[in-house]
Amino acid sequence: GAVVSQHPSRVICKSGTSVKIECRSLDFQATTMFWYRQFPKQSLMLMATSNEGSKATYEQGVEKDKFLINHASLTLSTLTVTSAHPEDSSFYICSAIGTSGGELFFGEGSRLTVL
Amino acid sequence: KQEVTQIPAALSVPEGENLVLNCSFTDSAIYNLQWFRQDPGKGLTSLLLIQSSQREQTSGRLNASLDKSSGRSTLYIAASQPGDSATYLCAVRTGNQFYFGTGTSLTVIP
Repeated sequence: GAVVSQHPSRVICKSGTSVKIECRSLDFQATTMFWYRQFPKQSLMLMATSNEGSKATYEQGVEKDKFLINHASLTLSTLTVTSAHPEDSSFYICSAIGTSGGELFFGEGSRLTVL
Repeated sequence: KQEVTQIPAALSVPEGENLVLNCSFTDSAIYNLQWFRQDPGKGLTSLLLIQSSQREQTSGRLNASLDKSSGRSTLYIAASQPGDSATYLCAVRTGNQFYFGTGTSLTVIP
């Protein structure tokens, strides 16, 4: 199946700094990518839908100035957590829709810890 | 709005048993349904994709069925193994929106 790569898998940062997470579709072009946040023992919470060449669509309650999403190419979307605080610590996962049959593929996830 | 429910929330079985995981959804106008597996601290791995026109899909020991009219899907795992222990999620696609169930946490006891 198609491969989505997410980097870094783990990141620890100090409060007030910004962190960038990359999501790449390795063997297909993804016009649409999704960013999720997952709390322990809970299902995925959609944060935003990222569309290549246009502004991301954020879910209600997600601060777009806090979580900056850039989808600059058909294979790369980035999520930047700006001025991170401890409450931003979480597991962030991206996904992309494959080109055959509409299958959804996920990255490996990124564990963010803000000290 | 589409709502997806998975029952049971947790399941523990001895190795070798066959088991069924359930997924139900409220709006039958779906594009497809997908089953995923998630290991602790990892992303989701796609297991099976069923298009809205299909009734079932099989991959190895896994078989997923879809009954759109009743809003149900099942994931059948044959001859379970300890390596099958994980959380299983179903996701329903409507347009470009995906709705996820809360998952079933499966433990296969050696």
